Amino acid sequence: NAGVTQTPKFQVLKTGQSMTLQCAQDMNHNSMYWYRQDPGMGLRLIYYSASEGTTDKGEVPNGYNVSRLNKREFSLRLESAAPSQTSVYFCASSPYLTRSTEAFFGQGTRLTVV
Amino acid sequence: ELKVEQNPLFLSMQEGKNYTIYCNYSTTSDRLYWYRQDPGKSLESLFVLLSNGAVKQEGRLMASLDTKARLSTLHITAAVHDLSATYFCAVGPLGGGADGLTFGKGTHLIIQP
Repeated sequence: NAGVTQTPKFQVLKTGQSMTLQCAQDMNHNSMYWYRQDPGMGLRLIYYSASEGTTDKGEVPNGYNVSRLNKREFSLRLESAAPSQTSVYFCASSPYLTRSTEAFFGQGTRLTVV
Repeated sequence: ELKVEQNPLFLSMQEGKNYTIYCNYSTTSDRLYWYRQDPGKSLESLFVLLSNGAVKQEGRLMASLDTKARLSTLHITAAVHDLSATYFCAVGPLGGGADGLTFGKGTHLIIQP
């Protein structure tokens, strides 16, 4: 049982390049999330998808786009990478409208923009 | 806007000692979570607290929730080196939903022999 799988695990980009971070979950969860983690900042929500076909902005959406491809997959795209987007990116999933269940996290993607 | 504050942000303690990490949040919520993160790793769920007065324990860790005070605590009893990690509290929207969790900045805990 893989849970939440993110690819790639590491990436180095040059300023201005684009890339897509992939996330897939096999727990049949409705909701999926993208967070970024920066030193001393905790995790901040970039975008989320409450259910297939819907996406919403989180706390720090600027410079990112997302696609909920199907129930399993939720991708995060950087159209023109900037050094400020150097971070660790985590994808998470959870059941919808279920108070008692926590969010489950992937292993993270460590992105460096030079 | 929901804000979550943890303190301390850094804690160095000796094995065998007891200590408490505090998590305050700014708006009403009925869902609070504690996660553990080891260096370079993902987040592992520790506790889910859903009601006022909820208390959960796992080994040397015990978490509690006071929704009236908007405060959760994570208590460490007789610390051991294996508990060295960063601990995050996270708060969810009142009543549930899919809006995502708001995290504190984390408490970096080092337990020394």
